[in-house]
Amino acid sequence: NAGVTQTPKFRVLKTGQSMTLLCAQDMNHEYMYWYRQDPGMGLRLIHYSVGEGTTAKGEVPDGYNVSRLKKQNFLLGLESAAPSQTSVYFCASSFEETQYFGPGTRLLVL
Amino acid sequence: AQSVAQPEDQVNVAEGNPLTVKCTYSVSGNPYLFWYVQYPNRGLQFLLKYITGDNLVKGSYGFEAEFNKSQTSFHLKKPSALVSDSALYFCAVRDMTAQFYFGTGTSLTVIP
Repeated sequence: NAGVTQTPKFRVLKTGQSMTLLCAQDMNHEYMYWYRQDPGMGLRLIHYSVGEGTTAKGEVPDGYNVSRLKKQNFLLGLESAAPSQTSVYFCASSFEETQYFGPGTRLLVL
Repeated sequence: AQSVAQPEDQVNVAEGNPLTVKCTYSVSGNPYLFWYVQYPNRGLQFLLKYITGDNLVKGSYGFEAEFNKSQTSFHLKKPSALVSDSALYFCAVRDMTAQFYFGTGTSLTVIP
C-alpha cells in the first residue's frame, strides 16, 4: 500500500514550458486535491475533485488545469509556466474528511 | 469566507514543558477542524480532527486539541514536549464544499 505518490519529485522548467504533475493513490479515495506551498503562505488549494470525472476550482486556480479521468489519478497541468509558479506542490486524497498527503513535487521555473 | 489564523510564526518550548500552538478559524456552518504536522522535506501528516462531540480531541503522538466555539479557536496542546516534536504545524478547516483552508503554519522548536 503506497498511499499517495507524486511524480516527479523535482523539476526545473523554463518560462513558457508546459508540464504535467501526476498524483496517484491506491486507497480508493473519492476526493483528491492539489495544493501549493509557499514560504509564509501555508498551503493554498489549487483544484480539487470529489470523484472520477469531476473537478472544481480552489483558491488559486489561475494558470493550472486538472483532470481526473481515473479514480486513482489526479493530474495537474501547467500550460505555460511562469516564475510565480515556482513552489512545492502537494497532492492529497481524502477519506472521511481526513486528508492523506503525498511527498511533494518541488518545481523551479526560471 | 472561510479562513484560518495561526498568530504565532514560531513557538519555542523547553523539553518536558507543556506546549500550545494557537489556531482560530472562520467558517460558515459547523466547523470541521484539523491539525497536521510537517517534518522537513516531507508531506503533511494528520494529527487529529474535530467533527462533532467532545470539545477535547485526542490525536497522534500524545497531542490533543480543544475546540472552543465561542472563541472560534482550536488550539493544539501537549502536556510534555519532546525534541522530536520540533516541526511545522498547520491548522485547517474544511467547508461544506469539501474545500480545505490552511493556516500559514507555526514552527515549533523544542529545546533540549
